[in-house]
Parts: sequence; structure tokens; C-alpha cells
Amino acid sequence: NAGVMQNPRHLVRRRGQEARLRCSPMKGHSHVYWYRQLPEEGLKFMVYLQKENIIDESGMPKERFSAEFPKEGPSILRIQQVVRGDSAAYFCASSRDSSNQPQHFGDGTRLSIL
Amino acid sequence: AQSVSQHNHHVILSEAASLELGCNYSYGGTVNLFWYVQYPGQHLQLLLKYFSGDPLVKGIKGFEAEFIKSKFSFNLRKPSVQWSDTAEYFCAVNPLTSGTYKYIFGTGTRLKVLA
Repeated sequence: NAGVMQNPRHLVRRRGQEARLRCSPMKGHSHVYWYRQLPEEGLKFMVYLQKENIIDESGMPKERFSAEFPKEGPSILRIQQVVRGDSAAYFCASSRDSSNQPQHFGDGTRLSIL
Repeated sequence: AQSVSQHNHHVILSEAASLELGCNYSYGGTVNLFWYVQYPGQHLQLLLKYFSGDPLVKGIKGFEAEFIKSKFSFNLRKPSVQWSDTAEYFCAVNPLTSGTYKYIFGTGTRLKVLA
């Protein structure tokens, strides 16, 4: 499967723990986007990254959330000290570039906070 | 604020019925428009997209959508649905002045097709 790969598919954490979500973009894609879907809501943009650069993180909460896309390896969305309200599905998308190229999505990671 | 409205949250149809899912957006400038489908247990897949040109867009699996600029709408249609079309459908809008990367999604419509 040469599509966008996200892991894990499901992640359970207790309040106060850290959650790490991984995303490997499609082959040839260097632009990565993270979205969050809360129950009964649409996907909401969080952050846009290119290799080693955060381009736009305007949709990401200012505290506890961070994202990176290193030169080697997958993009990581990190949530520190998780709270119940972080329970959601987190989707990663990638594109070849940012101009008029559709974004291709992964299966998502469903994060549940106990 | 920019937003996308999908009016029907749940739709139930019998096989061979016609389908129309509504999508309206609030943004006055130039947009790219998309419909994505998520089959049970699978990832979001692109059904069709509109960037410019003919406002009637043909997608995969017999789907089409019509962009009506005056109504800020991009409704999805299929003349005859099949059981395998059971899925969740998301409309997405990409307002170009906010950068071509930021997609704004509707809340989704869950379609159930009865065999």
C-alpha cells in the first residue's frame, strides 16, 4: 500500500500521559497536514508541515500539542498531558506540493483518553 | 468565519434510488472544492474535485457534483445508488486566499443503502 500510512490505528491513553501519532506520507509527497475530527464534527485543520519546517500551525492548540516532520522518518503529532477532550480521530494527509494538488488521507488514529 | 454545511447528517436509501447530498460553503472568493468518501474501516478517498472550468464534475464510481457559484453550493449526485455506496461523505472547501493547503470540511453525511 503506497498510500498515507498512519499508526497506530487506535491509541488509548490515561489522563496525563503522552500520545504520539505517526504519519508517513505517500511516496513522492513532501507536504503533510494534520486534521482532527471530534465526535459529530468535520475534520478541522491543525498544522501544515514540510520537511523540517512548520509552515502553518494556526489550527493547533497552543499548549500540549506539537508536530514535527524531520528530514528522515515520519511526521509526528505529539500531545502531552492528555485530557479527555483530546479524544478524537486524528487524520494525516499528504500532497506532492501545496498548489492545486489534492490531499490524500491516511486511515486516521483514533485516540481515546481514559 | 469560513464554514461548510452539509445539511443531511444521515441518509437512508434503497438500492437504485437517486442520491443528492447538499454542500454549501460560506466564502466569497475563489475556491477549490472536493468530495471525499470514507467506506467503513477505510481511509478518506477523493471522489471528485473542482478547480475551474466546467462546473459539472464527474468523479469515480458514477458520482458527479455541480458547482453553482451563485448559490455557494457543490452538491453531490448519483443517479442510482448501490449497496456498496454505504459510507460517509465529506465535502471540503479550499479557499484560495488562505493558502491552497487549508481544507475546510463539512461534518459529513452518513449514507446507508439498503439492499
